[in-house]
Amino acid sequence: KNQVEQSPQSLIILEGKNCTLQCNYTVSPFSNLRWYKQDTGRGPVSLTIMTFSENTKSNGRYTATLDADTKQSSLHITASQLSDSASYICVVSPGRYGGSQGNLIFGKGTKLSVKP
Amino acid sequence: DSGVTQTPKHLITATGQRVTLRCSPRSGDLSVYWYQQSLDQGLQFLIQYYNGEERAKGNILERFSAQQFPDLHSELNLSSLELGDSALYFCASSARDTAFPNEQFFGPGTRLTVL
Repeated sequence: KNQVEQSPQSLIILEGKNCTLQCNYTVSPFSNLRWYKQDTGRGPVSLTIMTFSENTKSNGRYTATLDADTKQSSLHITASQLSDSASYICVVSPGRYGGSQGNLIFGKGTKLSVKP
Repeated sequence: DSGVTQTPKHLITATGQRVTLRCSPRSGDLSVYWYQQSLDQGLQFLIQYYNGEERAKGNILERFSAQQFPDLHSELNLSSLELGDSALYFCASSARDTAFPNEQFFGPGTRLTVL
């Protein structure tokens, strides 16, 4: 069964610190892997999209890595800010090329709290 | 602001009732997706429309239906509502239909409460 598991479920860090969120997936083959940020009660916002052939992508203080062999991805947040407090969701798109992306598979997210 | 709009923002109704949620995609986007997010659950894909036609179906109940109109806005109809249908319903849009890669832009969501 195609699944996306994220860890930890929740995380509390102090402002200015770095953190790394993990994503393990069993989706195979897959087309791309995405990380989204979701503020409480708001819609998710895309942070990074990596194809199966990429192994790292950055977006400002956010850096995502992908190891397609071990089926693991991580999202590293550098110099955290209070505004980073949100849920971070790992999403995997099954299939290799083309096809409908309607069946994106979402993880349950990691809830990050950044404290002053 | 993603450019995707959803109305209403909040909806409170009773069991057994029927409601309609509305979504307007970003200008130029042909694909619309509907998702359900229950408390502490991940986003669950419900259904996708592309240029007016149903493209993919996920875990959508038979009591739920959707459509995309010629002006590309979409409506999600939920009927015979149950307490368990209380959730955030998100609409997303993307420019195309293919998965490689094709970013989805999410609306602000409609919070449905069934009492």
